[in-house]
Amino acid sequence: NAGVTQTPKFQVLKTGQSMTLQCAQDMNHNSMYWYRQDPGMGLRLIYYSASEGTTDKGEVPNGYNVSRLNKREFSLRLESAAPSQTSVYFCASPYEIGVYVETQYFGPGTRLLVL
Amino acid sequence: EDQVTQSPEALRLQEGESSSLNCSYTVSGLRGLFWYRQDPGKGPEFLFTLYSAGEEKEKERLKATLTKKESFLHITAPKPEDSATYLCAVQGGSEKLVFGKGTKLTVNP
Repeated sequence: NAGVTQTPKFQVLKTGQSMTLQCAQDMNHNSMYWYRQDPGMGLRLIYYSASEGTTDKGEVPNGYNVSRLNKREFSLRLESAAPSQTSVYFCASPYEIGVYVETQYFGPGTRLLVL
Repeated sequence: EDQVTQSPEALRLQEGESSSLNCSYTVSGLRGLFWYRQDPGKGPEFLFTLYSAGEEKEKERLKATLTKKESFLHITAPKPEDSATYLCAVQGGSEKLVFGKGTKLTVNP
């Protein structure tokens, strides 16, 4: 039981390049989230998926796209990377009982540097 | 709009010197308040969930309490290994968690 896994762990991109961050969870949870974490800004929600086949924008969605491939996998794509997207990206999946989140499990993060 | 404010931003303690971290929140219909610990270069690690005012939870040297406006994370006789950033988050009516910016705790031996 690995919980939430993310790949890659670290990536360097040039401005304008594209890449996809991968996330998978083995806890059979319905919801999955993508956050970015920047110094002094805390964790900010980029996109989320409440169930397989659905996705919604969070607080900072511009410049990103997502795909909920199946119940286990939720990917985040940067179509044309910009230096402002340099950040640490976390995938998370909550254990929910009805509308209540009991806890939210996080992956180890992907550190992205855009030059 | 749900908001979470954590204070102080940074706290430096001597080993054994007890203290508290504060998490103030405004939320429409609190469903849960969460505390996480985050070590450098790692993802947040779950500590506690509190659901209603008056609730308290403990784990080793940590104790979390909740009122209608704020939560405290009390650290009793801290050790250097308690050094980390502590994050607070709330779940309101929107069902998504809103995070504070965190308190960076340093415990010196």
